[in-house]
Amino acid sequence: EVQLVQSGAEVKKPGESLKISCKVSGYSFTSYWIGWVRQMPGKGLEWMGIIYPGDSDTRYSPSFQGQVTISADKSISTAYLQWTSLKASDTAMYYCARRGVMVRGDRNGFDIWGQGTMVTVS
Amino acid sequence: DIQMTQSPSSLSAPVGDRVTITCRASQSIANYLNWYQQKPGKAPKLLIYAASTLQSGVPSRFSGSGSGTDFTLTISSLQPEDFATYYCQQSYISPPTFGGGTKVEIK
Repeated sequence: EVQLVQSGAEVKKPGESLKISCKVSGYSFTSYWIGWVRQMPGKGLEWMGIIYPGDSDTRYSPSFQGQVTISADKSISTAYLQWTSLKASDTAMYYCARRGVMVRGDRNGFDIWGQGTMVTVS
Repeated sequence: DIQMTQSPSSLSAPVGDRVTITCRASQSIANYLNWYQQKPGKAPKLLIYAASTLQSGVPSRFSGSGSGTDFTLTISSLQPEDFATYYCQQSYISPPTFGGGTKVEIK
């Protein structure tokens, strides 16, 4: 079974650093792009960025460039999202998701999602 | 960034009704349009990709249509388990952007 299992909820103070994880199983980790999506409380979905674990090629939304870092560790099939200095406005649910290969090329949506990690900064 | 505008932002309908949600892109995105369903406290789920192709396992009462800038998601006969928020997403130009969502509630 294909699964993306995210790390647990976090409560942090402003200015602290944080790294959350997304562990993949059931498929070849290095063959699919993994993305991160933010959902602020009561709001919609925002695409943050994406990484190809095979070669660590990483792309960011301009809205999130410089604010977060996306990385991956092939040895343990895990992707990460990290902050060096959290703000209250980072309070949100964060989802990792696999970009599918339903259509040719890189214009696919996310076909498998993690359960989400709630980050509270207060 | 391409702006995705969904309408309505919410709707109320009884079980059995036909429901249509629209999504408009600020520029042409060909057919690179995905639809997701999100239930409260859960992760989104992919329903439709490439504007009209049903993801595996999704009931056939869901359908999608459109190309260019205008798209629709239709639920032919609303079921109790369909009450959720629906999002469109363009995957034509990076960054892929989502619509604001349409909340479907019980009438």
